[in-house]
Amino acid sequence: AQKITQTQPGMFVQEKEAVTLDCTYDTSDPSYGLFWYKQPSSGEMIFLIYQGSYDQQNATEGRYSLNFQKARKSANLVISASQLGDSAMYFCAMREGGNQFYFGTGTSLTVIP
Amino acid sequence: ETGVTQTPRHLVMGMTNKKSLKCEQHLGHNAMYWYKQSAKKPLELMFVYNFKEQTENNSVPSRFSPECPNSSHLFLHLHTLQPEDSALYLCASSQERWEGQGQYFGAGTRLSVL
Repeated sequence: AQKITQTQPGMFVQEKEAVTLDCTYDTSDPSYGLFWYKQPSSGEMIFLIYQGSYDQQNATEGRYSLNFQKARKSANLVISASQLGDSAMYFCAMREGGNQFYFGTGTSLTVIP
Repeated sequence: ETGVTQTPRHLVMGMTNKKSLKCEQHLGHNAMYWYKQSAKKPLELMFVYNFKEQTENNSVPSRFSPECPNSSHLFLHLHTLQPEDSALYLCASSQERWEGQGQYFGAGTRLSVL
């Protein structure tokens, strides 16, 4: 079974609007971390936001927030007030204990002016 | 100076060549990683080093050989590769204690095997 599932291969959003990128995960480990990364066309993966499995509140970093629904095993990324520079691939990832990381297949976001 | 630097950025090699990819991190991190990114596939973790010791080797073929001489440098030695090994190879680093922090990635090496 896939550890990380991103069901949206491509998304479009109007500039200044908000967009939600979906991510579901699969683990039986009670302790895990969830991450979102942005990968522009240049190739570098940029760390955006982190949510720990024991965190009571949803993580926020500037215009990024993570909608963590533990019972549903979902960790959706919300980008508010989209900017043209937000156009990129977005990857959801999970870490279970140790050093094992799992990544999803990514969602390509295009911001329309 | 970026946090994680990878060289070369692009590499074209024949199946009989031997080449090496280099990664250097300037962040004081303890763990370093090699990933393979192929088109339309999830990022694949290849190797993990923690304090210079290899802790993960995810069934990677022996034609890929990692080397970690210290916590700041990581190499991936390549020999007798196959065309299906063509991909973007990403290096990353992180603190050993990862709560609240993600991995920091380099810009990658785009490898083409002819």
